[in-house]
Amino acid sequence: KQEVTQIPAALSVPEGENLVLNCSFTDSAIYNLQWFRQDPGKGLTSLLLIQSSQREQTSGRLNASLDKSSGRSTLYIAASQPGDSATYLCAVFMEYGNKLVFGAGTILRVKS
Amino acid sequence: DTEVTQTPKHLVMGMTNKKSLKCEQHMGHRAMYWYKQKAKKPPELMFVYSYEKLSINESVPSRFSPECPNSSLLNLHLHALQPEDSALYLCASSQPSGYEQYFGPGTRLTVT
Repeated sequence: KQEVTQIPAALSVPEGENLVLNCSFTDSAIYNLQWFRQDPGKGLTSLLLIQSSQREQTSGRLNASLDKSSGRSTLYIAASQPGDSATYLCAVFMEYGNKLVFGAGTILRVKS
Repeated sequence: DTEVTQTPKHLVMGMTNKKSLKCEQHMGHRAMYWYKQKAKKPPELMFVYSYEKLSINESVPSRFSPECPNSSLLNLHLHALQPEDSALYLCASSQPSGYEQYFGPGTRLTVT
């Protein structure tokens, strides 16, 4: 059974810092990995999707990497801003079972 | 247009009521999903429709009844719910088999 773990569970940083969120998964039989952002009480916003054959994806101040063989992904946020405060979720789409498996999330607070 | 819409935004219902949640997308996606999310937890998959056919039911109680009337619409019919069913219900869509999932804003359901 796939298990997805996100570290740290919570993170508080001053504005302007670069930061890294970590995601690990136990079963490497994945199609892709997706990073999401969720504001309190809201839906999920897709940030980046990395296919299993890719090593990284970039969008603005965000960069996500994937090492499928070791079961790890990182989300790098450059020059953090208070508006980045949210819960960040990673999820893997399994090769079998046609479904996303989510990690528990990292709660990020960026202080101004 | 990468929008998934959900109605209503909020719903309060008694344990004997019957209500329905609605989800709509116009991205031409042929897979649609229902997730349940409790506070401070990641989303849990409930149902997957692929090409308007139910492909995954994650052992969801029969008081939840999904329906996919066409490729753009997804409903979740609710009947005789329990207070523990109170949660944020999220709809998502994608192309089938491992493409990026787009989420709606959710329906906040409270069962009294």
